Amino acid sequence: DAGITQSPRHKVTETGTPVTLRCHQTENHRYMYWYRQDPGHGLRLIHYSYGVKDTDKGEVSDGYSVSRSKTEDFLLTLESATSSQTSVYFCAISESDGVSGANVLTFGAGSRLTVL
Amino acid sequence: AQTVTQSQPEMSVQEAETVTLSCTYDTSESDYYLFWYKQPPSRQMILVIRQEAYKQQNATENRFSVNFQKAAKSFSLKISDSQLGDAAMYFCAYRSGGGSQGNLIFGKGTKLSVKP
Repeated sequence: DAGITQSPRHKVTETGTPVTLRCHQTENHRYMYWYRQDPGHGLRLIHYSYGVKDTDKGEVSDGYSVSRSKTEDFLLTLESATSSQTSVYFCAISESDGVSGANVLTFGAGSRLTVL
Repeated sequence: AQTVTQSQPEMSVQEAETVTLSCTYDTSESDYYLFWYKQPPSRQMILVIRQEAYKQQNATENRFSVNFQKAAKSFSLKISDSQLGDAAMYFCAYRSGGGSQGNLIFGKGTKLSVKP
């Protein structure tokens, strides 16, 4: 169990308000990721982190920022939420599969965000 | 850029029967990994099976197996003895062998229904 906790699990907010989603992991994994899932698009990478204060952009990073001040926490911030950011957001960590040593992604339970 | 295509938005199978979900991908890389993830109604993303491109042998995990055709860039998932609990969205995903450990590129998914 990778011990990934996302919060909040559900949030409804209004256009223009700031929103922060939190991903917390308990096993000291170096790599953490934020994806969004939308119907007809599968999952798309927003941002990822490869260590404390080390982050990089993914495929759909516009309108999002991230921070990682501690190994265990990876925050995703929408500075001014828009209706197009209504989505389900997944946090993930990269860990060895325990068999071949290949790294696989393990996901959190997701956070559903609705922007009205 | 790499792409992943799942051409079957929906599939249906009778309980205890076998079903195959299709996935094709496009890449110019020789070192990569392929994955199938399952997403039941609970929304949790669950790793079903993974395949390293350098391995010729098809991966198998209990009732789940893949048909990996590297030259054709095809990676289909076969589910044998289908069970009601197999009903879910299934996502095919690609990851480069180098670079970040977890920048997965996902297909749009196939919704599998299992009829009793």
